[in-house]
Amino acid sequence: AQTVTQSQPEMSVQEAETVTLSCTYDTSESDYYLFWYKQPPSRQMILVIRQEAYKQQNATENRFSVNFQKAAKSFSLKISDSQLGDAAMYFCAYRSLITGANSKLTFGKGITLSVRP
Amino acid sequence: EAEVAQSPRYKITEKSQAVAFWCDPISGHATLYWYRQILGQGPELLVQFQDESVVDDSQLPKDRFSAERLKGVDSTLKIQPAELGDSAMYLCASSSDSQETQYFGPGTRLLVL
Repeated sequence: AQTVTQSQPEMSVQEAETVTLSCTYDTSESDYYLFWYKQPPSRQMILVIRQEAYKQQNATENRFSVNFQKAAKSFSLKISDSQLGDAAMYFCAYRSLITGANSKLTFGKGITLSVRP
Repeated sequence: EAEVAQSPRYKITEKSQAVAFWCDPISGHATLYWYRQILGQGPELLVQFQDESVVDDSQLPKDRFSAERLKGVDSTLKIQPAELGDSAMYLCASSSDSQETQYFGPGTRLLVL
């Protein structure tokens, strides 16, 4: 079974600064997706960024980028130029790509990010 | 922009009572998921539907939980009887097919007293 570990329960960043959120995972599979989801207080979870394991290039979406280290099974999220609206809980998630496997997301415990004005 | 709808947003009930949650996925999405999120934890899958068929319900406590998606569109998750440990956020998500991005609804927060 796959597991996702987010060992930092909370982080804080100054507005306009850069912050990196850590995630490690464990799997015996070679093909999978990794995700970062954002869950603002009392609002729905939204996708921040997605990485396909077969791609060597790290995914980027505007101010959000990842550092994907497949051999180390590490998948960190970097938020540049942090904004007040980035304050939320962030979840790292894994999804198998094996044919016939269900497509459920396996989530870490999440990290609460606060942004200081 | 199309969104996943869920109702109610909040539900308070007493233990041993029955509760039901409703989810309307994004139009055209064939795959529907119900996740349970305990406070301070990440969501965990309860059940996955492909159209009207159950793909995975291995983590659904079937002695008290049931889920259906009769016409392959909206879905209902029921708990009977509710227990104190069922207090959690129940999230519904949908995707156009099982390999595509999952979009989440706002969730139903359940408190069992």
